[in-house]
Amino acid sequence: NAGVMQNPRHLVRRRGQEARLRCSPMKGHSHVYWYRQLPEEGLKFMVYLQKENIIDESGMPKERFSAEFPKEGPSILRIQQVVRGDSAAYFCASSLPGAFRNEQFFGPGTRLTVL
Amino acid sequence: KQEVTQIPAALSVPEGENLVLNCSFTDSAIYNLQWFRQDPGKGLTSLLLIQSSQREQTSGRLNASLDKSSGRSTLYIAASQPGDSATYLCAVSGGGADGLTFGKGTHLIIQP
Repeated sequence: NAGVMQNPRHLVRRRGQEARLRCSPMKGHSHVYWYRQLPEEGLKFMVYLQKENIIDESGMPKERFSAEFPKEGPSILRIQQVVRGDSAAYFCASSLPGAFRNEQFFGPGTRLTVL
Repeated sequence: KQEVTQIPAALSVPEGENLVLNCSFTDSAIYNLQWFRQDPGKGLTSLLLIQSSQREQTSGRLNASLDKSSGRSTLYIAASQPGDSATYLCAVSGGGADGLTFGKGTHLIIQP
């Protein structure tokens, strides 16, 4: 049973470009979370999604960031018009339904560098 | 707003010692608490999950306890080994947040 998969593992973008980060949850998991780890800071929750629904996006920056988890395919975290401050490691986690009580399993992360 | 604090921020001990990592949280209305390990440049590996109704969990040389009412958890590592060197993260679910709220971690070095 493959774990949570994220791609790409490393992504380099120039300021103003778009970044698309993908996350495939563990088999049987229908809940996906995105977190961001800025240099020298802890992980911060960004958004919680179920299939075709955004449940909680309270941690998402108000502009340029969006997330989706379509019926088919991976969850996508999209960052438009990237700036240097977006450089960070972005982690995806997944869990079984009944999310609050269930263990979250993390992917290897995507390390975004904005030049 | 839930806040998680981990003490110490860094710890260096000789191989073979038993050690304790501490985690505290401000809102006791949690669903569960997870301890993770993160190696440099890598993702997070879940070590132990303690549900709010539980007092402790054990896995091999690791034992985690939870005192929900006082907002504290400890991770006990027995007979430490150099391979245990990593950053250990504590995270809680609940307390008003849908995602996990993380501490900043304890950076652990086990000296051979």
